[in-house]
Amino acid sequence: AQTVTQSQPEMSVQEAETVTLSCTYDTSESDYYLFWYKQPPSRQMILVIRQEAYKQQNATENRFSVNFQKAAKSFSLKISDSQLGDAAMYFCAYRSGSGGSNYKLTFGKGTLLTVNP
Amino acid sequence: DTGVSQNPRHKITKRGQNVTFRCDPISEHNRLYWYRQTLGQGPEFLTYFQNEAQLEKSRLLSDRFSAERPKGSFSTLEIQRTEQGDSAMYLCASSLSTRDNYGYTFGSGTRLTVV
Repeated sequence: AQTVTQSQPEMSVQEAETVTLSCTYDTSESDYYLFWYKQPPSRQMILVIRQEAYKQQNATENRFSVNFQKAAKSFSLKISDSQLGDAAMYFCAYRSGSGGSNYKLTFGKGTLLTVNP
Repeated sequence: DTGVSQNPRHKITKRGQNVTFRCDPISEHNRLYWYRQTLGQGPEFLTYFQNEAQLEKSRLLSDRFSAERPKGSFSTLEIQRTEQGDSAMYLCASSLSTRDNYGYTFGSGTRLTVV
């Protein structure tokens, strides 16, 4: 079974600075997808960024980018120019690419990000 | 379309009572998922439907839990004889099978408190 580990329960960053959230995963599969989701307090989970395992190029979405190291099974999220609205719980998630009964997402425990003004 | 809708947002119930939650997915999405999230944890998979068929159930889904998706539209999750350990946020998500490797759309969840 796949596992996702987020080793940083909490992180903090100053507004306008850069922060990196860590995620490692364990899988024997070669085809899979990785996601970062953001969950603001009392609000719904929102997809931040996704990465396809067969693509070597790191995904970027505006101020959000990832560092995907497939051999190391590492998938970190970098937030540049942090804004107050970035404060939230961030979850790393894994999804198998093989289909069948493996459509579910497996989540890490999350990292609570605080943005200080 | 207003996204994935879950009702109620909050539910407080006494131990031993039955509760039912509803999820209305995005209308064109054929896959629907239920997750449970406890404090300080990431969401844990409970079950998923493709159209009206329930295709997978987690071991977390004990005999007291049942989920349905009649006609492949909305879904209900029922918990019978609730226990304090059932207190959690219950999340629903939906996706379109041809695009769900792009991620799922989540609802705001139903927070259950069993007293």
